[in-house]
Amino acid sequence: GDSVTQMEGPVTLSEEAFLTINCTYTATGYPSLFWYVQYPGEGLQLLLKATKADDKGSNKGFEATYRKETTSFHLEKGSVQVSDSAVYFCALSGGTSYGKLTFGQGTILTVHP
Amino acid sequence: ETGVTQSPTHLIKTRGQQVTLRCSSQSGHNTVSWYQQALGQGPQFIFQYYREEENGRGNFPPRFSGLQFPNYSSELNVNALELDDSALYLCASSLVRTSEETQYFGPGTRLLVL
Repeated sequence: GDSVTQMEGPVTLSEEAFLTINCTYTATGYPSLFWYVQYPGEGLQLLLKATKADDKGSNKGFEATYRKETTSFHLEKGSVQVSDSAVYFCALSGGTSYGKLTFGQGTILTVHP
Repeated sequence: ETGVTQSPTHLIKTRGQQVTLRCSSQSGHNTVSWYQQALGQGPQFIFQYYREEENGRGNFPPRFSGLQFPNYSSELNVNALELDDSALYLCASSLVRTSEETQYFGPGTRLLVL
């Protein structure tokens, strides 16, 4: 079945540091890929998405490129802020997942001033 | 435009009891999905409803059941609660039921089973 694997966390960075959170997936066909963010005590918010190979999703300085050859969708940001502290989830939809989202385990990001 | 809302926000039940959680989808959305998020884990798909019909189900037992109403709001019912049912329950709505479509999440209902 479909699955998503995220890098082990937690990740702790200083403000203005470069961020990479790795995400790889296993799926049949051509899934859509998503990054969701969850702030403390809240539900999930869509951060960005890509629906086909080589697409780049971007939002609020975050970027991720859909790489079919490496089955990856790594999240990057050039300069993190304290306000980016949250849990980040990589997810896919499609393949054998008709419309449901299959999530990774999440990566906790803490940014210090 | 009103987003996805859920009620109640928190709930405490005892083992063996039954619970009903409610979700109002975003305006114009006809598809609702429910997820269970255990502490420190990613959300797990429970089931999805499209135009009042169940459209797919994850690996959850039959004591997890749901409904979708004509206004596309939805309920999640859990019978015979077990301690492991303690989790954040998330509802998500989408405009259509395709893989490309974004699912918009509510704030969740946190259920504690004692």
